[in-house]
Amino acid sequence: NAGVTQTPKFQVLKTGQSMTLQCAQDMNHEYMSWYRQDPGMGLRLIHYSVGAGITDQGEVPNGYNVSRSTTEDFPLRLLSAAPSQTSVYFCASSLPGQGVTEAFFGQGTRLTVV
Amino acid sequence: ELKVEQNPLFLSMQEGKNYTIYCNYSTTSDRLYWYRQDPGKSLESLFVLLSNGAVKQEGRLMASLDTKARLSTLHITAAVHDLSATYFCAFLTQGGSEKLVFGKGTKLTVNP
Repeated sequence: NAGVTQTPKFQVLKTGQSMTLQCAQDMNHEYMSWYRQDPGMGLRLIHYSVGAGITDQGEVPNGYNVSRSTTEDFPLRLLSAAPSQTSVYFCASSLPGQGVTEAFFGQGTRLTVV
Repeated sequence: ELKVEQNPLFLSMQEGKNYTIYCNYSTTSDRLYWYRQDPGKSLESLFVLLSNGAVKQEGRLMASLDTKARLSTLHITAAVHDLSATYFCAFLTQGGSEKLVFGKGTKLTVNP
């Protein structure tokens, strides 16, 4: 039972490069989200999706793009990496609405932009 | 503004002592979550509190929810070193698209 799988676990990018962080879940959860975690800041919501074909912005969406073509996958794209995007990124999935009991998190991607 | 205030942000305590972490949230919600994070690891779900007055206990940890005061507490009883971690609370917004809003976390260190 894989749960939420994120790849890669670690990544170093140069300023201006683009990349995609992958997130996949096998629990048939409709709700998926991306957070970034910075020291002393807790987790801040970047983008989220309530189902295939539907995405919306969170608290800190600038510089990131998402799409949701399937229930299972929710990739996060960095369009032109900046040092301010150095962070740990977590993907989470859950059932929405009355079914929400808890969000399951992936293992995280540690991204460094130099 | 959607906001969660946890206090304290840092807590150093001795084994065997009791303490409470407080979590205040900014808007109406009847769903409150507590997570634990060990250094370099992901978040692990501890408690899900779904209604006013809800109380849940697991080992030395007990969580409660007062939706009228928009307050949740995480009480630690007779702390042990293994409880050292960062604890996050989060509430689920209501109406429209639901979002999970996190506090900044409380870093707990339990000393022998």
